[in-house]
Formats: sequence, structure tokens, C-alpha cells
Amino acid sequence: DAKTTQPPSMDCAEGRAANLPCNHSTISGNEYVYWYRQIHSQGPQYIIHGLKNNETNEMASLIITEDRKSSTLILPHATLRDTAVYYCIVRVAGGNEKLTFGTGTRLTIIP
Amino acid sequence: GAGVSQSPRYKVAKRGQDVALRCDPISGHVSLFWYQQALGQGPEFLTYFQNEAQLDKSGLPSDRFFAERPEGSVSTLKIQRTQQEDSAVYLCASRRGVQINEKLFFGSGTQLSVL
Repeated sequence: DAKTTQPPSMDCAEGRAANLPCNHSTISGNEYVYWYRQIHSQGPQYIIHGLKNNETNEMASLIITEDRKSSTLILPHATLRDTAVYYCIVRVAGGNEKLTFGTGTRLTIIP
Repeated sequence: GAGVSQSPRYKVAKRGQDVALRCDPISGHVSLFWYQQALGQGPEFLTYFQNEAQLDKSGLPSDRFFAERPEGSVSTLKIQRTQQEDSAVYLCASRRGVQINEKLFFGSGTQLSVL
């Protein structure tokens, strides 16, 4: 599975959009991009995933560049409850079951 | 409850003791996973079950680690002769079906401390 690179930490003001970048420059054509987050003392929570088209759900939007070498997770109106570690994961469709989490981005929402 | 339940929430063991960690997945979920999370790191895959069959145990770090899911629902992760390096949070996750793109639902984990 392709390796991902994320900034170790970011801050965002409450009520603003939080934009979390992820670099996956070695991604191949059949690899999906997944985002999970982990709030302190809880297990990871699924947010969204996509292949090449932009995706939106009730939690967030996922913007994938045309060359698929990077993506951005957007939380449109960040709240204090969005403070968490955010993991960008790349995995082959139909590959093994393992999710490789890495160390993620620690997002802190500032009141 | 509606989510994945793990027990105990905290476990302290003396080095050399055996421990058993329990996972109750969401009812009806076919797939079950165990992950290990060391302090400050992301979770790392241990093993995967589809119903009662353990289809992937490639992440188990040694033969001291053993997982089972005998009736295809509750799962137990057993660690024999615990060592200090086994100290971590052990996370269980379940998935409704077998499609790899379906989302995983994680429990809050069992924090194991080996003294």
C-alpha cells in the first residue's frame, strides 16, 4: 500500500473550515484514500473514503487532486468536538484487510 | 449497546501473567478485527476474522498472542506470559459484511499495562 505523509499537528479556530492535507505521491490507480479520526481515549472513527472523485458526506468532504498524489479532508464548520488525531490511509481495493494508520495529524480546535 | 464493546477497559498484569481481552462486536457483523496501539502511535493490525474463521493473523507479534471467535460473534484476544513491551491499547473493530471498503466500527479499547 502507498505511504502517506501528514503534518504532525494543526490548529483551527472554532467555526472555521479545517483543511487537513495528505500526500500520497506513490498512490496507484486501484488504491483508495480513507480518513479515520481518533478522539482521545476512544477508538478510531470512520469519516470518508474515495478513489478519484471528490466525496462528501454528513461529516466531511474529501478533495482528491486530479493526479491523485494528494488529498484534503475538509471539516466545514469545526467544533471543539472535532479535536482529534486524523489518519489518512491508502489501501488497494481488493487487497488485504489491514489498514495502515501511520501517526496522523493532531487537529486542535481553538475556541 | 449499539456499538462495539470491549472489556475490561483497563487491565494491569504482572510480567509473566496470562491475560484475556474480550470484544463484543455489533450484532450481526460478520467481520472482526484486532489492532494494537502503542502510546503515541497509530493502531497496528493484529488479526482478522470472518465469522469464526481467522483469515489473517499476520500481525500477531509472537506465538504468545492468540485470538479466537468460536461462534462467530464474541472474540477473545489472549496474551500468554505477558512482557512489558505488550503494554498498549488493544482495539477491536467490526464490519457489517465482507466488502473491504465498508467502514469499520471500533470499540474504545482495553488499555493493558504490564508491570
